Amino acid sequence: KNQVEQSPQSLIILEGKNCTLQCNYTVSPFSNLRWYKQDTGRGPVSLTIMTFSENTKSNGRYTATLDADTKQSSLHITASQLSDSASYICVVSLYNQGGKLIFGQGTELSVKP
Amino acid sequence: GAVVSQHPSWVICKSGTSVKIECRSLDFQATTMFWYRQFPKQSLMLMATSNEGSKATYEQGVEKDKFLINHASLTLSTLTVTSAHPEDSSFYICSATQGPSGRGYEQYFGPGTRLTVT
Repeated sequence: KNQVEQSPQSLIILEGKNCTLQCNYTVSPFSNLRWYKQDTGRGPVSLTIMTFSENTKSNGRYTATLDADTKQSSLHITASQLSDSASYICVVSLYNQGGKLIFGQGTELSVKP
Repeated sequence: GAVVSQHPSWVICKSGTSVKIECRSLDFQATTMFWYRQFPKQSLMLMATSNEGSKATYEQGVEKDKFLINHASLTLSTLTVTSAHPEDSSFYICSATQGPSGRGYEQYFGPGTRLTVT
């Protein structure tokens, strides 16, 4: 069964601190892995997309890593800001499956002043 | 970046009535549009995939006669919730893409529509 699991479920950090979110997946056939940020009551916004051969990708203060051997990914947020408070969703795209995405449950991040 | 809009953003309807939600890609032509629903504290659940001019493909467990999808053009898809019931209350999100995500194409998500059935 295709699954994407994220940890922790929720996280509270102080403004200015760094944090790392984890994602484990068992998806086949794998095409790429994406991290999205979803603000409450809004649609998800893409942060990064990584293919099988990419180990790391950055987008400003967001850095995603991918280990295709262990089927693990992480999203590191540097110097957190209050606006980083959101749900972060790890998503894996299936190859040749008509664009189907497998979603993780998300990590709810709360950044406190 | 590419923009996807949804209308309305929020709707309340009475049980038994039908509600139509529109999804538009504003600055690109979308070969495929997807419809998701999301319950509180849960992740997105794919309901159906639609290609312009074709019948939508529904996920297992989603009633196609209850959730009518029309993909009239490369920039517009609509979801109609027929004979709505309180259990249909949810956050409905569409996404649009110019190509298959399996080849790295981005799926651009709309802002969502909050449906409340009373």
